[in-house]
Amino acid sequence: EEQLVESGGGLVQPGGSLRLSCTASGFTFSTYWMSWVRQAPGKGLEWVANMNQDGSEKYYVDSVKGRFTVSRDNAKNSLYLQMNSLRAEDTAVYYCARVCRSSCPDSWGQGALVTVSS
Amino acid sequence: DVVMTQSPLSLPVTLGQPASISCKSSQSLVHSDGNTYLNWFQQRPGQSPRRLIYKVSDRDSGAPDRFSGSGSGTDFTLKISGVEAGDIGVYYCMQFTHWPYTFGQGTKVEIK
Repeated sequence: EEQLVESGGGLVQPGGSLRLSCTASGFTFSTYWMSWVRQAPGKGLEWVANMNQDGSEKYYVDSVKGRFTVSRDNAKNSLYLQMNSLRAEDTAVYYCARVCRSSCPDSWGQGALVTVSS
Repeated sequence: DVVMTQSPLSLPVTLGQPASISCKSSQSLVHSDGNTYLNWFQQRPGQSPRRLIYKVSDRDSGAPDRFSGSGSGTDFTLKISGVEAGDIGVYYCMQFTHWPYTFGQGTKVEIK
């Protein structure tokens, strides 16, 4: 069974840092683009970052550019999101996701809640 | 950025009756490879999103056949042929053609 499990969420003060991890199982992680998508409390979905299979291509939404860094370790079947200079508006559930343009089934984690507050 | 506009934002439905959600994009979603990358996602209460439709009208393997997608260019529609209780939740269109990928605001489907 394909599975994505996020960890590392929590409460952090404005200006602080947090690192999210996502561990994949049940599929060949190294062959897929992977993404982070977030959802503020009671709000809609926002695509945050994308990374290709070997990590040579990374894309970020403007609101996190320069503050967030996506990375992966294919040997550990893991995706990461390093979040620095956190702001209150970064408060959200962060989902690790595999979404293809084609017919491959999508896969989402259960989400990790990040709360930025003093 | 491509703006995705859904309507209605709230959709009260009667069980067994059809339902339809519109999604309009601020620019064409036709990719340079000729495909139109428009997805529809369902998010049930308390759950992660789940894709139902990709490339406008292709249904994901786990999606019931009462869900169908149509449209082209900038105008798209998700139809549910007969709403069931398990269809309650929020539906999002999402464009996968231009970076940054963007979602519509979401349409909340609830029982009338």
